[in-house]
Amino acid sequence: QKEVEQNSGPLSVPEGAIASLNCTYSDRGSQSFFWYRQYSGKSPELIMFIYSNGDKEDGRFTAQLNKASQYVSLLIRDSQPSDSATYLCAVKPSSGTYKYIFGTGTRLKVLA
Amino acid sequence: GAVVSQHPSRVICKSGTSVKIECRSLDFQATTMFWYRQFPKKSLMLMATSNEGSKATYEQGVEKDKFLINHASLTLSTLTVTSAHPEDSSFYICSAIRDTQYFGPGTRLTVL
Repeated sequence: QKEVEQNSGPLSVPEGAIASLNCTYSDRGSQSFFWYRQYSGKSPELIMFIYSNGDKEDGRFTAQLNKASQYVSLLIRDSQPSDSATYLCAVKPSSGTYKYIFGTGTRLKVLA
Repeated sequence: GAVVSQHPSRVICKSGTSVKIECRSLDFQATTMFWYRQFPKKSLMLMATSNEGSKATYEQGVEKDKFLINHASLTLSTLTVTSAHPEDSSFYICSAIRDTQYFGPGTRLTVL
């Protein structure tokens, strides 16, 4: 059973701090990794994807991938109260199907 | 990013009636769409994969005769909840594939 694991949280950080969200996956052959943000009562919104080991930056967001450790993370710099949401990690299986494996999400609270 | 719409955004119906939810890819063609449901404060649950021009593939435990899926064109998939009951009340979300999964805004179904 391929799995994606995330700490459910809530992760509370003060405004302006760095929020670090983590995700581990079991399918060693996975090649593509995605972070979605889901506000309460809304559907998920894609915020970043990463394919290669290392860091990928997009504005205040940095995705980090370590395939050897089967670990992917999302850093949010200068966290804002508007970043408060549930962050879903998704993994595209090694089979190549678009039927991603989603984690259960980490709830982030940014305190003003 | 790609734009996916859903209609209606919210529906309330009586027990025993059928409800149809539409999912459209607005600016691209999607041969594959997915249907999810999500209960409050719970994770996404994949219901089925909708394939244009062929039968949908349902996940284990999802009744195909209750949740009818039709993907008649490259931009439209429909989910019909037949003989709805209060336990079918949920947030139904579709996604469409372009280079990755893009989610529609969701449909909140309440069955009285």
